[in-house]
Amino acid sequence: DTGVSQDPRHKITKRGQNVTFRCDPISEHNRLYWYRQTLGQGPEFLTYFQNEAQLEKSRLLSDRFSAERPKGSFSTLEIQRTEQGDSAMYLCASSARGLAGSYEQYFGPGTRLTVT
Amino acid sequence: SQQGEEDPQALSIQEGENATMNCSYKTSINNLQWYRQNSGRGLVHLILIRSNEREKHSGRLRVTLDTSKKSSSLLITASRAADTASYFCATAGTGANNLFFGTGTRLTVIP
Repeated sequence: DTGVSQDPRHKITKRGQNVTFRCDPISEHNRLYWYRQTLGQGPEFLTYFQNEAQLEKSRLLSDRFSAERPKGSFSTLEIQRTEQGDSAMYLCASSARGLAGSYEQYFGPGTRLTVT
Repeated sequence: SQQGEEDPQALSIQEGENATMNCSYKTSINNLQWYRQNSGRGLVHLILIRSNEREKHSGRLRVTLDTSKKSSSLLITASRAADTASYFCATAGTGANNLFFGTGTRLTVIP
């Protein structure tokens, strides 16, 4: 399977605990994105990497959130001191440069986080 | 906040009928993309239309883009039960690296 993979698929944690999610992008894609999706809504952008550099962060990404892509391949998203409001689907996507500078993003299956 | 707005929010049709979903957005874009999401799963990329294009086809899908009205439509012809899913439009702004998604249209195709 050469698509975007995410691990774990589901995570249940207690409020106040830290969680870490992993994303493995499509191997030749240099761009990697994290989104968050709550029930009944579309995905909302969190952050974006080009190779190992984190180039953009949304205001949604509070200081409890940190993302890394140390070698420009896989990425991790950590949430510290989780809150019930963090419960959501966390989606990872990757892309490579397409025609006329457009970037089609390919999404992984997501990690569903439930904070109790 | 999300830039796109899909209309209708929900659509229910009989198998074999055509389904049309609309998307409106607010700012200048580089391209607009449509995605499908089955319940509780990741998004599947359907089609990308660039800002200088007006219409694009892919199989049973037809997408139009009117940049003067800041709107797009997705037409699915000869619908099948397997088309049941949520459909999202997403815009990529000029110079922007992320996508802005709408709230989606929930399509139900009744066998």
